[in-house]
Amino acid sequence: GENVEQHPSTLSVQEGDSAVIKCTYSDSASNYFPWYKQELGKRPQLIIDIRSNVGEKKDQRIAVTLNKTAKHFSLHITETQPEDSAVYFCAGNAGGTSYGKLTFGQGTILTVHP
Amino acid sequence: GAVVSQHPSRVICKSGTSVKIECRSLDFQATTMFWYRQFPKQSLMLMATSNEGSKATYEQGVEKDKFLINHASLTLSTLTVTSAHPEDSSFYICSARGSLFGGNTIYFGEGSWLTVV
Repeated sequence: GENVEQHPSTLSVQEGDSAVIKCTYSDSASNYFPWYKQELGKRPQLIIDIRSNVGEKKDQRIAVTLNKTAKHFSLHITETQPEDSAVYFCAGNAGGTSYGKLTFGQGTILTVHP
Repeated sequence: GAVVSQHPSRVICKSGTSVKIECRSLDFQATTMFWYRQFPKQSLMLMATSNEGSKATYEQGVEKDKFLINHASLTLSTLTVTSAHPEDSSFYICSARGSLFGGNTIYFGEGSWLTVV
């Protein structure tokens, strides 16, 4: 089955700095990679996703890059703000009939200091 | 508004009793739903895939007789934690895949906090 590794487990940055979180996956059949932001006790919120036919995707301050050969993908947040502080999870999914069956990374606690 | 509704949001039950959690898809039919468990400060772990009209598929290490899943309609899946024990205390969250706004999307429920005392 799929295995997703996420690093770092904690990340502390100053407001305005950039933050990068990296994930690796094991299943070469995986083709969908979402990133979620989760606040304590709440459901995960999709912030950006990428499919394996694309190498990079950007949405305002958030971007995701995918290296399918190396089986890793990264989340980039620029101009961080205190409200970006949360737990971030990457996930992998094989798609097809397995679409929706997500394997999550371990999570990264991001703290943005004012 | 929520497209997947989960109920209850919080429940406290006594050790040895059973508790049922509901997951409903609103405005769309979900032939497949997923149940995850999240212990404090940990990641979401898939427990099982719930298939409408057929048996659920459980992940390795998840006891199917303890975590009963029923997906009797296209909009409702239920997870029943039987003979609950304190170690079952966790955040349980469901998700469903749908094409409400065109294209496949994964929608999460609000989650249910289970505390077994």
